[in-house]
Amino acid sequence: DTGVSQDPRHKITKRGQNVTFRCDPISEHNRLYWYRQTLGQGPEFLTYFQNEAQLEKSRLLSDRFSAERPKGSFSTLEIQRTEQGDSAMYLCASITRGRAGTGELFFGEGSRLTVL
Amino acid sequence: AQSVTQLDSQVPVFEEAPVELRCNYSSSVSVYLFWYVQYPNQGLQLLLKYLSGSTLVESINGFEAEFNKSQTSFHLRKPSVHISDTAEYFCAVRNSGGYQKVTFGTGTKLQVIP
Repeated sequence: DTGVSQDPRHKITKRGQNVTFRCDPISEHNRLYWYRQTLGQGPEFLTYFQNEAQLEKSRLLSDRFSAERPKGSFSTLEIQRTEQGDSAMYLCASITRGRAGTGELFFGEGSRLTVL
Repeated sequence: AQSVTQLDSQVPVFEEAPVELRCNYSSSVSVYLFWYVQYPNQGLQLLLKYLSGSTLVESINGFEAEFNKSQTSFHLRKPSVHISDTAEYFCAVRNSGGYQKVTFGTGTKLQVIP
């Protein structure tokens, strides 16, 4: 399977714990996005990378959130001191330079976070 | 800033009946428009897109959408729905130049009734 993969698919944690999600984009894609989706809402933009550079962060991304893409390939999204309001599906998407002008995003199946 | 409005959170429709899912957008510049579909327990998939040219775009499974610049709309239609079309549909917008952030609407759940 050469699609976008995310790990773990499900994570249950206690409030105050740290969690980390990983995203492996399609190999030739240079741009990577993180979105968050809660029940009844559409995906909300969190942050965006072009290669290893983080080009934009949403105001939704508080200081407890950090994302990295150290070698321009996979990316990690870490949430420190989780809160119940962080419970959501975290989506990763990627896009290739060649298709960049079309804006077509390829999504992974998401990582569902439940904070107890 | 760009935004997308999907007024209908749920649309029930009988099998083989027509359906329209509404989408309106707001942007100060020219845009690209998309419809994504999310089947139960699956990731989002692109259904169709408008970039330029003909304002009527079609998908391979019978959906179509028409870009209406004066009404800032991109409604999704299908003349005859099937049970397998039951899913959540998201309209999305992206400015056509420069930075490529994609903004999504809140989604419309299409429930096809046998």
